[in-house]
Amino acid sequence: AQSVTQPDIHITVSEGASLELRCNYSYGATPYLFWYVQSPGQGLQLLLKYFSGDTLVQGIKGFEAEFKRSQSSFNLRKPSVHWSDAAEYFCAVASTGGFKTIFGAGTRLFVKA
Amino acid sequence: DTAVSQTPKYLVTQMGNDKSIKCEQNLGHDTMYWYKQDSKKFLKIMFSYNNKELIINETVPNRFSPKSPDKAHLNLHINSLELGDSAVYFCASGGGNNEKLFFGSGTQLSVL
Repeated sequence: AQSVTQPDIHITVSEGASLELRCNYSYGATPYLFWYVQSPGQGLQLLLKYFSGDTLVQGIKGFEAEFKRSQSSFNLRKPSVHWSDAAEYFCAVASTGGFKTIFGAGTRLFVKA
Repeated sequence: DTAVSQTPKYLVTQMGNDKSIKCEQNLGHDTMYWYKQDSKKFLKIMFSYNNKELIINETVPNRFSPKSPDKAHLNLHINSLELGDSAVYFCASGGGNNEKLFFGSGTQLSVL
């Protein structure tokens, strides 16, 4: 069965510092991988997705993620964090050709001035 | 125009009551979903409909009954509400084949 692990419940970074949020997945084949962001009181918004091809994918708001098959990882990165990036971040995995997207437990990002 | 809209945004009710949450999407998607987000922010899929047909039904109490009158609408009815049903319920739609999901802004349900 597919699953997603986000090892960090919360992370605090200084504004302007770089960010990396970790995500590990479990799936038998190459999955579809996603990162979503949730601001307080809002629904989730897609940041980026990986289906195939280039393992480094670019998303919105200056985020990128790298798919590493050997490590079953799909970590999210941003070179310089802004205060407005403070939110909950969810990694998700979906099976190819299916209808089910499974979410990790989320990582809460705090940004300090 | 809001892509995925759900109502109400807040729902406060007593134990034992029956309530419904409505969801509509104007994106032309074939697939709609209900997710439950608990107090620890964990998101769990509950149901999915594709072209009005139920395709995912996770281990959810049968007090929860989804209904899809057409592919643009997916409502969630909950009978005999319990304290443990308190959560945020999100409706989402997607193009199927695990394309990205578009989420509504959530319905915060509080059962007293």
